[in-house]
Amino acid sequence: ETGVTQTPRHLVMGMTNKKSLKCEQHLGHNAMYWYKQSAKKPLELMFVYSLEERVENNSVPSRFSPECPNSSHLFLHLHTLQPEDSALYLCASSQASSSYGEQYFGPGTRLTVT
Amino acid sequence: GDSVTQMEGPVTLSEEAFLTINCTYTATGYPSLFWYVQYPGEGLQLLLKATKADDKGSNKGFEATYRKETTSFHLEKGSVQVSDSAVYFCALSPSGGYQKVTFGTGTKLQVIP
Repeated sequence: ETGVTQTPRHLVMGMTNKKSLKCEQHLGHNAMYWYKQSAKKPLELMFVYSLEERVENNSVPSRFSPECPNSSHLFLHLHTLQPEDSALYLCASSQASSSYGEQYFGPGTRLTVT
Repeated sequence: GDSVTQMEGPVTLSEEAFLTINCTYTATGYPSLFWYVQYPGEGLQLLLKATKADDKGSNKGFEATYRKETTSFHLEKGSVQVSDSAVYFCALSPSGGYQKVTFGTGTKLQVIP
């Protein structure tokens, strides 16, 4: 595997379910990000982990719970979601020590909450 | 705070036409500037970048020049192809530490044969 991978690619869940999204980066980076991409809205940064510490949480509801067990893996645990949480969830990684800031994205998980 | 403004789409062009997508930014200091592209059903891919004033980023026939005096980073391509149909995002990142990238809202490009 190369780059940033995300599983599953598509997920349909009921409002009472619990599921997890997984992201893995194969680039040797040490910062990882979760974004939410909804139709007609700007890309929303949800969480940032740098050197495995959460450094940013942009007022995300507690029904979204991130986990970063090591610098290569990032999870987003989901529970009791709402229909408005349906979106494309993108994971990205970067090198925190880089002066230039480019991020590398995975293909995303298309989440539908019914 | 930092912000990125890019032209609203969709932009529809015929194949081999010239493309310009405008992008202006507001930021303190000397940010790095990026263009990302998102093809249907995929995540964002880094298309090109520029890290200081007057730098020109280029890739796959696309170019953009970091203009500090006009705070702009317009994307251009001389001859678009149908395969260039995608959504294009302008973005900036402050230097140092983990990078909080600020994205524009995206411009959808449709190229027709």
